[in-house]
Amino acid sequence: EVQLLESGGGLVQPGGSLRLSCAASGFTFSSYAMSWVRQAPGKGLEWVSAISGSGGSTNYADSVKGRFTISRDNSKNTLYLQMNSLRAEDTAVYYCAKSRDLPDSRSFECWGQGTLVAVSS
Amino acid sequence: DIQMTQSPSSVSASVGDRVTITCRASQGISSWLAWYQQKPGKAPKLLIYTASSLQSGVPSRFSGSGSGTDFTLTISSLQPEDFATYYCHQANSFPGTFGQGTKVEIK
Repeated sequence: EVQLLESGGGLVQPGGSLRLSCAASGFTFSSYAMSWVRQAPGKGLEWVSAISGSGGSTNYADSVKGRFTISRDNSKNTLYLQMNSLRAEDTAVYYCAKSRDLPDSRSFECWGQGTLVAVSS
Repeated sequence: DIQMTQSPSSVSASVGDRVTITCRASQGISSWLAWYQQKPGKAPKLLIYTASSLQSGVPSRFSGSGSGTDFTLTISSLQPEDFATYYCHQANSFPGTFGQGTKVEIK
């Protein structure tokens, strides 16, 4: 059974940093692209960032480009999101999501339970 | 960026009703469209991928259609567990934009 378990969320001041982790199990982690998707309180879904299975290719939403860094450790089956220069508008539940097989690698067939990031002074 | 426009934003329906949700892309995305269901406090769940393919384990009352710019999610006979918010998502290119969501409520 595929499982994704996020951690690392919490309350941080504006301008601060946080690193989210997503521990994966139940599938060959290195074979799949992974993404982070967020949802602000009471709002819709927003794709944040994606990384290829090897980690050699990354993509970011304009809203986080230059501030967030996605990475993965395939030896530990873990996905990360380093978030710097956090703003109030980054407040959201952050989900990690497993992509489907190629060629449909941008749809998400499995999601974690989410971790809440709150940016406030 | 490709914009995704869903309609309606909410719909009130009764158990057994047929419900249709539409999603329009601002430019052609072939069949690279997915539909997700989200219940309050829960993660989204994939229902449909590549516009019309039913995800494993999803009841057959859910179906998807369309290609290019216009897409539809249909629930043929609404069940109590289907009351939720539904999102379309273009998987054609980054950034992978979502529709604003359609809340299906009990009438």
